[in-house]
Amino acid sequence: DGGITQSPKYLFRKEGQNVTLSCEQNLNHDAMYWYRQDPGQGLRLIYYSQIVNDFQKGDIAEGYSVSREKKESFPLTVTSAQKNPTAFYLCASSIQLGTGGRTEAFFGQGTRLTVV
Amino acid sequence: AQTVTQSQPEMSVQEAETVTLSCTYDTSESDYYLFWYKQPPSRQMILVIRQEAYKQQNATENRFSVNFQKAAKSFSLKISDSQLGDAAMYFCAWIIQGAQKLVFGQGTRLTINP
Repeated sequence: DGGITQSPKYLFRKEGQNVTLSCEQNLNHDAMYWYRQDPGQGLRLIYYSQIVNDFQKGDIAEGYSVSREKKESFPLTVTSAQKNPTAFYLCASSIQLGTGGRTEAFFGQGTRLTVV
Repeated sequence: AQTVTQSQPEMSVQEAETVTLSCTYDTSESDYYLFWYKQPPSRQMILVIRQEAYKQQNATENRFSVNFQKAAKSFSLKISDSQLGDAAMYFCAWIIQGAQKLVFGQGTRLTINP
């Protein structure tokens, strides 16, 4: 079945460490996204990528980095510069959003990151 | 700023009754798409319904329908014949035509009372 796979489901990080969250999709989608979810704040866009080897910052990119070396993969690194990284992280993919047709974003099951 | 506002942090409804979740947005654009996503306790985001701003007809998907008022910038979700499986967080979202940024509201937690 086609879909988006995020791993791990739960991740614990010590302060000062970098961690990488995995996101893989087999939907042949060009666009991929990373969102952060905090209680009472909905979803906020961290980074997005429309094509391989290209990505753009979202609203809260500070302290995060991404790469898009393959169409199927869009890993997110939470660096030590991110002051409050404890959150739920969601990866999504789509055909190009906002271009008409049956445009929608498909989401993975998320990764819960906790700083210990 | 282009924002989405869900003014009801929590809602509850009796099973089999109808409930309406509110959403308003702020934009000067004329071409955009609106969405309602459901996030059950599993935290998997699921698309419930979408609406293209250029369409006057309100979208419907089985028990789910929207009341889209473009001039008022309002996009409410009506759930008819509520079922226990409808209990979830519901997020309103929108995107401008040609853009890549999907903007979400803060969410409404819906509880279904048996």
